[in-house]
Amino acid sequence: SSELTQDPAVSVALGQTVRITCQGDTLRTYYASWYQQKPGQAPVLVIYGKNSRPSGIPDRFSGSNSGYTASLTITGAQAEDEADYYCHSRDSRDNHLMIFGGGTKLTVL
Amino acid sequence: QLQLQESGPGLVKPSETLSLTCNVSSGSISSSNYYWAWIRQPPGKGLEWIGTIYYTGTTYYNPSLKSRVTISVDMSKNQFSLKLSSVTAADTAVYYCARRGLILVAGAFDSWGQGTLVSVSS
Repeated sequence: SSELTQDPAVSVALGQTVRITCQGDTLRTYYASWYQQKPGQAPVLVIYGKNSRPSGIPDRFSGSNSGYTASLTITGAQAEDEADYYCHSRDSRDNHLMIFGGGTKLTVL
Repeated sequence: QLQLQESGPGLVKPSETLSLTCNVSSGSISSSNYYWAWIRQPPGKGLEWIGTIYYTGTTYYNPSLKSRVTISVDMSKNQFSLKLSSVTAADTAVYYCARRGLILVAGAFDSWGQGTLVSVSS
């Protein structure tokens, strides 16, 4: 089955820009979606498709894709952006099977 | 706004069957635009997709859990359910129910329940 690989931890200075990446073969075929999860809370969808944000998600969140890599960029990171971020996509061999990356812990310094 | 709410026992004994229900409100589970899914998260670990069901009853399961998982839908109650058999301590996790777009939101999980912690212990 397919896998999605994320860096375990990333840090960013307050107000700066940070990119969180997700790598996997399936990303050459399918878009990734991105979820933010704060401690004790359910995940929240922040980016889906090519680069779309659900209603209520700040426009400092954006997504991009290149080859085997999907990226979530936060431009002007805020303290409230400190959270775990997970990418998700479909299995390249069976698109009804879902896969998640291992998650990236974002620390805002 | 759509709401999802998980319910079920918080403690299950090893070798027994874990059973959870997700009640869907302010939206119809019989919508042709969405799938309905179960996802879990062991304490301190990442997300794991368990399986998905369409309102027709068609199901898709994580191959690693397929032999132990059953997901069903009850349109009359606007809810769907998870059964996981022969549980062990490794099945201890927060279990989430979620909605996934068929085409909408490019197939992402756009709505989640708050999650329910299920511990497996004697």
